[in-house]
Formats: sequence, C-alpha cells, structure tokens
Amino acid sequence: KQEVTQIPAALSVPEGENLVLNCSFTDSAIYNLQWFRQDPGKGLTSLLLIQSSQREQTSGRLNASLDKSSGRSTLYIAASQPGDSATYLCAVRRGDSWGKLQFGAGTQVVVTP
Amino acid sequence: EAQVTQNPRYLITVTGKKLTVTCSQNMNHEYMSWYRQDPGLGLRQIYYSMNVEVTDKGDVPEGYKVSRKEKRNFPLILESPSPNQTSLYFCASSAQGDNEQFFGPGTRLTVL
Repeated sequence: KQEVTQIPAALSVPEGENLVLNCSFTDSAIYNLQWFRQDPGKGLTSLLLIQSSQREQTSGRLNASLDKSSGRSTLYIAASQPGDSATYLCAVRRGDSWGKLQFGAGTQVVVTP
Repeated sequence: EAQVTQNPRYLITVTGKKLTVTCSQNMNHEYMSWYRQDPGLGLRQIYYSMNVEVTDKGDVPEGYKVSRKEKRNFPLILESPSPNQTSLYFCASSAQGDNEQFFGPGTRLTVL
C-alpha cells in the first residue's frame, strides 16, 4: 500500500529565507502529485499539480519537483513571507487505483517577521 | 464563482441519529471525493465517485454511505453515527482524475 511521508512535521524560518518542503512516497506508480496549502480551520487550496511524466512545475515563488524513481517531491518557496505560514500537504494519485488519493500528514510552516 | 460547497459547516449530533452532509460543485466536474481529517492521522479518503452512479470505497469507508444521482451533488450519509466519526470532513472535485482537485470549506462534525 502506498505510504506518503512529509518531513519535517514542523518548520520555522525567518522572513526572506527560502523554504524547502519534502514529500516522499513508497510506490513510484503514481498518476500525479499535488501540493496543497491549508490554513488553520480552513479547507485546502491547491498550489501545484505535477503529472507523473513531468519533472517540475512552477507558479510564481513556488516550484515543485518530482522524482518518481526515487519516490520524492520537493516544494520550494522562494523568499518566504509571514503570509506563507500554513500547513503544506502533498497528495499522490495512486497508480493502482485511479480514483484513490493518499495524503501526507503535512508540514506546518511558520515564517517569522 | 467556481466552488465546492458543503452543508452544514458545523454539526453536533448524538450517537445513532442519521445525518447527511451535502456537497455540491458548480464546475461540471466528473470526479468527486470525500475525506476526513483527524489530528495525527491526516486526510484519509472515505469514498469517491468517477461519475454519476459510479462510486467506490476509499481507505476508510466503514460507517459511511454515498450516492451520486446528479453530477453536481455527492452527499455523505452517516446512517448511525458514532463518536469515532467525530472529525473534520472535506469534499473535493476535479474535472478528471488527472486534474487538480478543488476542496470545499469543510464540515466539522461532533458525535456525542
């Protein structure tokens, strides 16, 4: 069964520093991987979606890479701001069943002014 | 505005009293899914639907039912709620499975 892990569970950085968030998965047979942001008590906001055939996706200050063979994805957030404080989750669409998604537990990020 | 809506947003109920949480999307999406989020366990998939009248179990379907009679609606039914179903529930939809998922605002359910 696919397992998705996010390390570290929590991260605190000063404003302006680059953020590096990691997501690893045990089964490389995936359709895609999606990164989300969740603010306390709120729903999930989609950040980036990487198809299994892609190596990376970029949107503004965000860049996500995917290395399927090693079972890893990394989300980079450049020049962090206090507004980036949130929990970041990754989710893989499982290759054994197209409809099934597996989430990581998330990384809680605090950006201090 | 393109969105996924859930109702109610907050619900406190008692053990055994049947309830339904509604989910509706206005984006003509084929795929819809329900998740629950619990501290320490993260988000886990309950049920999903590829299209009208097509549903399948996720990882934690026990104690839940779903139906997909219309493309826009995907209600989650708890026939006999128990305290271990106290959780934060999210509905999501996407155009196709390969596309990004859009999430509703969540429903916080407490079963006493």
